[in-house]
Order: sequence, then structure tokens, then C-alpha cells
Amino acid sequence: EVQLVESGGGLVQPGGSLRLSCAASGFTFSSYWMTWVRQAPGKGLEWVANIKEEGSEKYYVDSVKGRLTISRDNAKNSLYLQMNSLRAEDTAVYYCARTYYGDYHWGQGTLVTVSS
Amino acid sequence: QTVVTQEPSLSVSPGGTVTLTCGLSSGSVSTSYYPSWYQQTPGQAPRTLIYSTNTRSSGVPDRFSGSILGNKAALTITGAQADDESDYYCVLYMGGGIWVFGGGTKLTVL
Repeated sequence: EVQLVESGGGLVQPGGSLRLSCAASGFTFSSYWMTWVRQAPGKGLEWVANIKEEGSEKYYVDSVKGRLTISRDNAKNSLYLQMNSLRAEDTAVYYCARTYYGDYHWGQGTLVTVSS
Repeated sequence: QTVVTQEPSLSVSPGGTVTLTCGLSSGSVSTSYYPSWYQQTPGQAPRTLIYSTNTRSSGVPDRFSGSILGNKAALTITGAQADDESDYYCVLYMGGGIWVFGGGTKLTVL
């Protein structure tokens, strides 16, 4: 069974940093693109970033470029999102997803709250 | 900046058929955008229904179908059930590795 478990969310002050992790199991992690999607409270889904199977290609939504960094460790079956210079508008539930041409298998999400 | 458009809300009667659409603020949606559809109920993670225009994700019943209608992608639900009452999101591939979600459609079954 495919499982994706996010962790690392929490309360952080504006300008602070946080590192999200996503532990994958039940599939060959190194064979799939992986994606982070977020959802602000009461709002819709927002595509944030994705990373190619071996990590050689990474893409970001404009609003997070230079502040959020996606990475992966295929030996540990793990996906990461390093979040720096956080802003109030980054407050959201962050989902990791195994990705195949829009066929996303979703984790349950982890909540990040940016507030003083 | 191109915006992905969806109806903010729609309603359908139990047993009825409803079509949700996914368009672009500028231009037409084609299969090259790999339109995909997701269902989300409050407090839950999204669930993939359709990807690459018309391929049903694993375990999705065949009363959910995807297509291109005119210049938009479409999700059609036939024989609507009470538990289809959810938020529905589409996503489009914009090229250069970038995907963009629509704003979502709140579907009411009444």
C-alpha cells in the first residue's frame, strides 16, 4: 500500500525557517516525480514545487522561489521542503504527493502556521 | 499570468448528471495540458479522480469521467450521489515543469 507521511509542521515566527519531511513507503520512491501542494485555511489548493525522480530537475511556483527548496533522498525514501524567510501567507497545510502526469497519490498533510 | 478557471459552485440533484469545467483566462485547454481532477471533502486530503484528461485513477468509479469540451477540460459526474458533495479541483500543466490549480468548484447535491 502506498503511504506518504508528512511531518515537521508547526508554529514559526515570520522570517523563520522550517523543514518539512515526507516519508514514503509501498512503492519504488526513486521512480516517481514528487510534488508539494499547499492549502491555506479555507482556501483552494496551490501547487508549490516538484522534483524529478533523481533530483536533477526542480520547479517552483513564483511566490516561493528563493525561499522554499525541494529536495529528496532516494536512499531514505524521503522528500523534503526547506522553508526559509517564512511569511504569514505561507500558512497552510502542506501535502506531499507521488506524481504521475497529474495522478497524485496524496499524504495527509502537515500544518504550517506563520505567526508572531 | 494565466489563471485556471472553475465554476465557484454548482448543484445537482441525486441521480442527476453534472459537468464541471476547467478553463484558461487566455487560450484553450487541450490534452497537452494533462488536465486532472481531484475531490476533497472538508478536513480530508484530496483524492485523485481523473488524470491526463480522461484516465480514471485507481478505484474511481466509472460514473466520473473526463473530457475536453470545446475549449475547456470537463469532469462529468453521472448518477450523482449524496457523498459526491465535495470540493473539486482541476490542475493544468503549463509547461516548464509548472502546474497550476484552479480555484475549485463547490458541488452541492440536493
